[in-house]
Amino acid sequence: GDSVTQKQGQVTLSEDDFLFINCTYSTTTYPTLLWYVQYPGQGPQLLLKVTTANNKGISRGFEATYDKGTTSFHLQKASVQESDSAVYFCALVYQRFGTGTKLQVVP
Amino acid sequence: DPKIIQKPKYLVAVTGSEKILICEQYLGHNAMYWYRQSAKKPLEFMFSYSYQKLMDNQTASSRFQPQSSKKNHLDLQITALKPDDSATYFCASSQERTGNERLFFGHGTKLSVL
Repeated sequence: GDSVTQKQGQVTLSEDDFLFINCTYSTTTYPTLLWYVQYPGQGPQLLLKVTTANNKGISRGFEATYDKGTTSFHLQKASVQESDSAVYFCALVYQRFGTGTKLQVVP
Repeated sequence: DPKIIQKPKYLVAVTGSEKILICEQYLGHNAMYWYRQSAKKPLEFMFSYSYQKLMDNQTASSRFQPQSSKKNHLDLQITALKPDDSATYFCASSQERTGNERLFFGHGTKLSVL
């Protein structure tokens, strides 16, 4: 069945560091892929969405590129800020969320 | 103003009791969902509804029963509560249940079963 895999449970960075969160997927189709962010005490909210039509999503300085060859959908940001500290989930359709990556950015 | 309202925000229950978690959305969406989040399973899909009809049920236990009395309501009844049911329950909605639509989540109900 369809699945997504996030191997990094936690990432700790300093402000202005480069962020890379790994996400790979398995599916027989070419779906839309999504990244959600969850701040403490809140529900997840959509960060960005990528379809087969556009191949790349960009939002609030975050970027993800759909790579069918490696079946990956990694999340990147050039320079993180303390306010980016949150949990990041990649998702493949509403039934399939990754296990989440907790990002902690220290000043 | 929050567009998806979940009540209550916190809930404490005793083992064996029954509780109802309330969810209302004011986004005009046709699809609604329930998810559970705990330390063991970060974001676990439970149910999906479309136009008030149950479409997906990935909860093995019949103790969990969604109830849709109105188009914009999807409550979750949990019976015979167990300590393992302790988690935060999130309600979500989307315009349609196409599978790849953006979900809007509520702030969650944190359930503690003693």
